[in-house]
Amino acid sequence: AQSVSQHNHHVILSEAASLELGCNYSYGGTVNLFWYVQYPGQHLQLLLKYFSGDPLVKGIKGFEAEFIKSKFSFNLRKPSVQWSDTAEYFCAAQANQAGTALIFGKGTTLSVSS
Amino acid sequence: NAGVTQTPKFQVLKTGQSMTLQCAQDMNHNSMYWYRQDPGMGLRLIYYSASEGTTDKGEVPNGYNVSRLNKREFSLRLESAAPSQTSVYFCASTSAGTPIYGYTFGSGTRLTVV
Repeated sequence: AQSVSQHNHHVILSEAASLELGCNYSYGGTVNLFWYVQYPGQHLQLLLKYFSGDPLVKGIKGFEAEFIKSKFSFNLRKPSVQWSDTAEYFCAAQANQAGTALIFGKGTTLSVSS
Repeated sequence: NAGVTQTPKFQVLKTGQSMTLQCAQDMNHNSMYWYRQDPGMGLRLIYYSASEGTTDKGEVPNGYNVSRLNKREFSLRLESAAPSQTSVYFCASTSAGTPIYGYTFGSGTRLTVV
């Protein structure tokens, strides 16, 4: 069965520190990969997505993610975090077949102190 | 504004009561989904509808039923609510079987079963 694992449950950083959140997926076929962010009290918003092509994808708010097929990974990065990045981050994967649903990881809570 | 609308936003039920969570999208999306979000568990898929007229079980369907009323609306019903169904419920939609543009999420329904 398809699954998504996020390595870190809670990450605490100071402003300007660099961020990397790990995500691994398990699925034998072609997958589409996503990172979503949920700010406190809000619903999920799409940060970035990967379907094909350049494995380094750039999203909103300075985030990027790298797809490494050999490692089944899709890690999220940001060179310098801000206090406003405090949120919960979800990695998600979907088999590249019509009618399949997104499967989410359990999420990583990022706390950024100013 | 175009998007996914969920009602109600908050609900408190007594054990054994029934209720229906409503979801409507005005983006002409084919596929719609219901997830529940619990602390430390991420989002788990309850049911989804890949297209009008079809519904399928997700990871945690027990205790729930769904109806794809038309292309716009996808409701989730709890026939006999249990405390274990206390959660935040999110509806989402996407334009096709493969979410090229990612999912659009509603703002959620916070349900408490006492």
